[in-house]
Amino acid sequence: DTGVSQDPRHKITKRGQNVTFRCDPISEHNRLYWYRQTLGQGPEFLTYFQNEAQLEKSRLLSDRFSAERPKGSFSTLEIQRTEQGDSAMYLCASSLALSGQETQYFGPGTRLLVL
Amino acid sequence: AQSVTQLGSHVSVSEGALVLLRCNYSSSVPPYLFWYVQYPNQGLQLLLKYTSAATLVKGINGFEAEFKKSETSFHLTKPSAHMSDAAEYFCAVNGGAPGTASKLTFGTGTRLQVTL
Repeated sequence: DTGVSQDPRHKITKRGQNVTFRCDPISEHNRLYWYRQTLGQGPEFLTYFQNEAQLEKSRLLSDRFSAERPKGSFSTLEIQRTEQGDSAMYLCASSLALSGQETQYFGPGTRLLVL
Repeated sequence: AQSVTQLGSHVSVSEGALVLLRCNYSSSVPPYLFWYVQYPNQGLQLLLKYTSAATLVKGINGFEAEFKKSETSFHLTKPSAHMSDAAEYFCAVNGGAPGTASKLTFGTGTRLQVTL
């Protein structure tokens, strides 16, 4: 068990550019979550997948954000036309949801800075 | 809807002193409660969790938390602080019914400083 990994760890981009982040969950975990954390705040839920299906999206996830989890393994989060307000830490978590006692394990995060 | 409130955005203790980080929750269903720790520029590491089994929950690194339904609290404690405990601590609640989505709702965090 190698844990949840995220790539890249840091990303600096210019306003208006597109960026894509990748998350590799713990193998055999069926759920994958994305959260966003801004400075001085706790993480906020963005979206989650059960296997390959995206089952819930937060109101925080504007139309410029899209997430995928093809084949129910790794996931990508893309932000189009980035804005300075998108600067944050993007955290991925995975879990094995069986009988309701679900524990989410987090990756190291991708820190995005939009100039 | 579920929510958590962490009282005190910054807590400073001396090395060897008791650590007490406060968390109060609000949930319309029996909650699952979690404490996570975050070191600078890193992700969140699970310290401990309450899932309705025992009200006193022991976690890693000597931390423990007690679920008190009457006070809607889940405070985190450690008898003796160590310098390595300096980090940001987040309380989170997950109130989904079994088998449903279990997104976490986090508090705003408490930064623990440990001094010599």
